Amino acid sequence: GAGVSQSPSNKVTEKGKDVELRCDPISGHTALYWYRQSLGQGLEFLIYFQGNSAPDKSGLPSDRFSAERTGGSVSTLTIQRTQQEDSAVYLCASSPSAHGGARQFFGPGTRLTVL
Amino acid sequence: QKEVEQDPGPLSVPEGAIVSLNCTYSNSAFQYFMWYRQYSRKGPELLMYTYSSGNKEDGRFTAQVDKSSKYISLFIRDSQPSDSATYLCAMRLANQAGTALIFGKGTTLSVSS
Repeated sequence: GAGVSQSPSNKVTEKGKDVELRCDPISGHTALYWYRQSLGQGLEFLIYFQGNSAPDKSGLPSDRFSAERTGGSVSTLTIQRTQQEDSAVYLCASSPSAHGGARQFFGPGTRLTVL
Repeated sequence: QKEVEQDPGPLSVPEGAIVSLNCTYSNSAFQYFMWYRQYSRKGPELLMYTYSSGNKEDGRFTAQVDKSSKYISLFIRDSQPSDSATYLCAMRLANQAGTALIFGKGTTLSVSS
């Protein structure tokens, strides 16, 4: 079956612009995570969705970042008024459940460059 | 102190060598331990998954978890040029719904033919 897909694969934007990144999780997976991978920083958790529950936003670095998940499937991560420090690879992962032992499967990521 | 420490390398070995990759961690509550492989400009791919302490073997790969020392390892036998990638260790708390993975920064491995 299809894995996690993300679009666009690359995004170049100017400082101050808003961007939207999209994630399509594996069909049937109820849990969805967004991570950010910066050079020298490794992977950092941003936000988590489980079904129709309120998302865990504890990893979002500022209020310029927001995300939503429609119909328990597709998710969109929005960054408003982008800054150069937002340049990173944004990775989405999905999991068949939110149980601590459930495996997370990653998409290919969106490489964001803020000029 | 970071929750998960991983030597970034780079690590260069000849084809056929045995490779040892390691991570240390500080939170004794971690129960799930994973190794991901990430090729350049690709997403991380789950390679090995272990619950609690012990060893797990899958083909040329062996994962070890020593909870008493807070130390995990990944061994690659008969390494191949196709193993050249960045290897990320990751871990997670037990029985807490929705907890995110905590990652090491990754070790870059290069296997030369």
